[in-house]
Amino acid sequence: EDKVVQSPLSLVVHEGDTVTLNCSYEVTNFRSLLWYKQEKKAPTFLFMLTSSGIEKKSGRLSSILDKKELFSILNITATQTGDSAIYLCAVNTGTASKLTFGTGTRLQVTL
Amino acid sequence: SAVISQKPSRDICQRGTSLTIQCQVDSQVTMMFWYRQQPGQSLTLIATANQGSEATYESGFVIDKFPISRPNLTFSTLTVSNMSPEDSSIYLCSAIRGGASEKLFFGSGTQLSVL
Repeated sequence: EDKVVQSPLSLVVHEGDTVTLNCSYEVTNFRSLLWYKQEKKAPTFLFMLTSSGIEKKSGRLSSILDKKELFSILNITATQTGDSAIYLCAVNTGTASKLTFGTGTRLQVTL
Repeated sequence: SAVISQKPSRDICQRGTSLTIQCQVDSQVTMMFWYRQQPGQSLTLIATANQGSEATYESGFVIDKFPISRPNLTFSTLTVSNMSPEDSSIYLCSAIRGGASEKLFFGSGTQLSVL
């Protein structure tokens, strides 16, 4: 059975801190790994990673994939209160484009 | 990216009743999916909505409980039938425009509470 595990489950940091969120996976057929931010109901897309070692960056957020060790990290620098959300990691196993999601990391950024 | 409209946004329903959730995409997409997110849990795929044919359900989900329609490339409905409190969840419609390398986009979600 395909499995995606995220850590930590929750995290509270002060504004300005840097955080690293982790995602490890065990799947039978890997095509890509995706990160989403969920603030209310709808997850919004952050990154899609397909190749090892290539960092994707968008503003204060960045992510990288290690296909040998089967994990990815999402970094957020200089955190702001608006970064407070659940961050979801998902793996596309290539089976009809279905995604297997991790349980998410709940990030709270305080003043 | 695709814009996905979903309605209703939220509903409170009585046990034993059914609710139909609608999903409209602003442009043609190749694949549409329905996910469920139970309180405190991550997203679980219910089924792939196939255009013009029966949906493909994941293990643990059946057509009698979650009938799905997709009459064209931009519209799908999910019905939650004979509801119980355990069906209280967020239901999310999602879509991919291209192939498996495309990213999945989500609708605005439906917050369902069953009393």
